[in-house]
Amino acid sequence: AQKITQTQPGMFVQEKEAVTLDCTYDTSDQSYGLFWYKQPSSGEMIFLIYQGSYDEQNATEGRYSLNFQKARKSANLVISASQLGDSAMYFCALRNYGQNFVFGPGTRLSVLP
Amino acid sequence: DTEVTQTPKHLVMGMTNKKSLKCEQHMGHRAMYWYKQKAKKPPELMFVYSYEKLSINESVPSRFSPECPNSSLLNLHLHALQPEDSALYLCASSQVGQGDFGGANVLTFGAGSRLTVL
Repeated sequence: AQKITQTQPGMFVQEKEAVTLDCTYDTSDQSYGLFWYKQPSSGEMIFLIYQGSYDEQNATEGRYSLNFQKARKSANLVISASQLGDSAMYFCALRNYGQNFVFGPGTRLSVLP
Repeated sequence: DTEVTQTPKHLVMGMTNKKSLKCEQHMGHRAMYWYKQKAKKPPELMFVYSYEKLSINESVPSRFSPECPNSSLLNLHLHALQPEDSALYLCASSQVGQGDFGGANVLTFGAGSRLTVL
């Protein structure tokens, strides 16, 4: 069975500072992918970053990086230099090979001016 | 502009109405999805249309029925809905389907259709 845990229902960060959003996952498969999505109050889910289970390097996309620790089954999202527009819900998701996406409960991030 | 277009953005309907949500993608993706999202919850998968085959989440009631006129369109027909069906309905597409893997599995979402059932 696949499961995603995000233990931080809400987070606050000061503008221009870095923030880490936690994500742990549970799967017995060896082949899987981990994804992070951002959902602003408008509702659209925006893809941020992807990490494959066999990728040796941590994924990075601009201000977003994924701290992938396979042995610990964690895939934390790091946002550097936070901006007011980063205030949103953030969902971590897991997809095993041949399976559907499983989303975590989400973390609401609020960036303070 | 989003590459997955959903219409309408907002819909209010009575429990006896019949309405449809429309979703179109222009990226040549092979798989399309409907998700339901209640407030402060993650999206829940309802239907997947992949490689001309429809997969249904068995927990979805029959008052929701998907229709795929072609590989770019995935509509959701609504009939005799209940107030608890009020939610944000998200359409998504992916380059490859469930049987494939890799970064190409990224889901591209539309802006959503916010449904209120009175």
